Amino acid sequence: DAMVIQNPRYQVTQFGKPVTLSCSQTLNHNVMYWYQQKSSQAPKLLFHYYDKDFNNEADTPDNFQSRRPNTSFCFLDIRSPGLGDAAMYLCATSRQGGVNTEAFFGQGTRLTVV
Amino acid sequence: AQSVTQLDSHVSVSEGTPVLLRCNYSSSYSPSLFWYVQHPNKGLQLLLKYTSAATLVKGINGFEAEFKKSETSFHLTKPSAHMSDAAEYFCVVRTSGNTPLVFGKGTRLSVIA
Repeated sequence: DAMVIQNPRYQVTQFGKPVTLSCSQTLNHNVMYWYQQKSSQAPKLLFHYYDKDFNNEADTPDNFQSRRPNTSFCFLDIRSPGLGDAAMYLCATSRQGGVNTEAFFGQGTRLTVV
Repeated sequence: AQSVTQLDSHVSVSEGTPVLLRCNYSSSYSPSLFWYVQHPNKGLQLLLKYTSAATLVKGINGFEAEFKKSETSFHLTKPSAHMSDAAEYFCVVRTSGNTPLVFGKGTRLSVIA
């Protein structure tokens, strides 16, 4: 089945040690999103891509970076994770153009910072 | 600006009784509205979406929602709750194809046996 796949499902990293989360999709969607979701909160958009055009939310910390080498893959890099970065990270995709196009989400990566 | 307000942070119902999760939206344009469900430690799954074709929208797992423009509401209902419905539910709005989804704060649904 076509889907959005996030790896790994669970990631433990040390305080200050760079970490990369990955997302791949077989939907051939040109829009990809990264959301951060802390416990009992709504997902918060970090950034998104329209094809290769990168759109950073104004309040996304500089500590968070992203790469999209091709349509299928997108990476979230956290350069120096702090304890406050522990969260579920959700990748999503959608087709561009329609207001009624929904987003398709991966299963998420649960990041723990020790 | 677009936003959604989920009026209840937590709803608890008994198995077999109706479910009502409330959502109000604010939008300058004709919005598209979505309901997503999230089970513990899982991603988000689309339940249903409103796209102006019909005001009563049927979704998966017996859920439905009615778009009421006069009340700026998009409440989610189900006639009979099942234990497997216990999850977090998010109401989401989008007003153009070039804007990302905007999430409400979520409503946690508990189902009591």
